[in-house]
Amino acid sequence: GQQLNQSPQSMFIQEGEDVSMNCTSSSIFNTWLWYKQDPGEGPVLLIALYKAGELTSNGRLTAQFGITRKDSFLNISASIPSDVGIYFCAGPRNTDKLIFGTGTRLQVFP
Amino acid sequence: KAGVTQTPRYLIKTRGQQVTLSCSPISGHRSVSWYQQTPGQGLQFLFEYFSETQRNKGNFPGRFSGRQFSNSRSEMNVSTLELGDSALYLCASSFGTSRHEQFFGPGTRLTVL
Repeated sequence: GQQLNQSPQSMFIQEGEDVSMNCTSSSIFNTWLWYKQDPGEGPVLLIALYKAGELTSNGRLTAQFGITRKDSFLNISASIPSDVGIYFCAGPRNTDKLIFGTGTRLQVFP
Repeated sequence: KAGVTQTPRYLIKTRGQQVTLSCSPISGHRSVSWYQQTPGQGLQFLFEYFSETQRNKGNFPGRFSGRQFSNSRSEMNVSTLELGDSALYLCASSFGTSRHEQFFGPGTRLTVL
């Protein structure tokens, strides 16, 4: 099935470092969603973006809706151990059919 | 307000059997979507129900079916289980409007032996 491409695939960083990840698509999206998933749990919505160029923050997380509408970016500042998990981007097709990215696995070391 | 709940959390079945999974959405949400998550294929959309009607459908065989009740609760059914159906099945609810924000339950881990 169709998926969005996320990079990097995985990241191993030290506590306190900043993190950047991105999500790209070959087609345009009008909404970008960012989720975090912990092992054995469902994804949790972090940030929703609705307008090209939009920059939205949620605590230490900041996400941007790319101007081309084909990409989005997520930054985490001053990472902490509980940031560990898999981060997914997602965009809707046909009302509530979400297409998910391949995921970025984040590991934070103390 | 309570989140999305899914039952059961874990299920073990054998090939050829059928299974029914249940999802209760967030109060006030009228849309329920189902996703399959596997290590190889990632998160794949199964179908979406809104006001008891299937509004969207993914590329899964007819063995996968679902329904939604008048209280927005939803069930999905998989018949004639195959080994490849082993996965985490996730349910998500939303208002079903153009804002697209979906909220996920904890999932049902299905293992087919």
